[in-house]
Amino acid sequence: ETGVTQTPRHLVMGMTNKKSLKCEQHLGHNAMYWYKQSAKKPLELMFVYNFKEQTENNSVPSRFSPECPNSSHLFLHLHTLQPEDSALYLCASSPNDEAPGGARNDEQYFGPGTRLTVT
Amino acid sequence: KNQVEQSPQSLIILEGKNCTLQCNYTVSPFSNLRWYKQDTGRGPVSLTIMTFSENTKSNGRYTATLDADTKQSSLHITASQLSDSASYICVVSPGYSSASKIIFGSGTRLSIRP
Repeated sequence: ETGVTQTPRHLVMGMTNKKSLKCEQHLGHNAMYWYKQSAKKPLELMFVYNFKEQTENNSVPSRFSPECPNSSHLFLHLHTLQPEDSALYLCASSPNDEAPGGARNDEQYFGPGTRLTVT
Repeated sequence: KNQVEQSPQSLIILEGKNCTLQCNYTVSPFSNLRWYKQDTGRGPVSLTIMTFSENTKSNGRYTATLDADTKQSSLHITASQLSDSASYICVVSPGYSSASKIIFGSGTRLSIRP
């Protein structure tokens, strides 16, 4: 266990549905991240929250909407998705995304992911 | 452009054999390099981390090497076990950067056959 949990682990949704992914970290970290992982491609950073403030939106379509109510919880709200959005969605946390330069500061701890299938 | 390239893309070996995975990067300036193991349907888990001054790091049967001059790293797995079947991802962190700026390779998919 990495200290980062994600629910649900699997999700199948139609293109007109609305669903949410949840992530919770028990590590006392202040930064949380959403990544998309498609087959044979590197992890793609989607959103970054540092101390509950969104600090990065990596040109993600508006059908993905993040929410970070506190430093321990992160949500990804999904609506009107496309089949190409099917992927493994990973949540991660780190101590502080604005603390540069150093192995201790930039280590990320990943959750188990949500396998999303859009039909 | 900062990039991380891994080879091979996939590899199949027999249980008990050794193997070596490669990672080449063009990231500059350089802070550290990590190898992650990702089991199917799970999130990545860190295996080793090396900074500029370190050229080898071991974690059980896993040994990572780093040549900062040629910007190459390798992950050597000794006496492979079925549980080693996973994707192995090389991740490089630019100097003076934050966690959101790290660069991921595409991974090597390793399958261990009995």
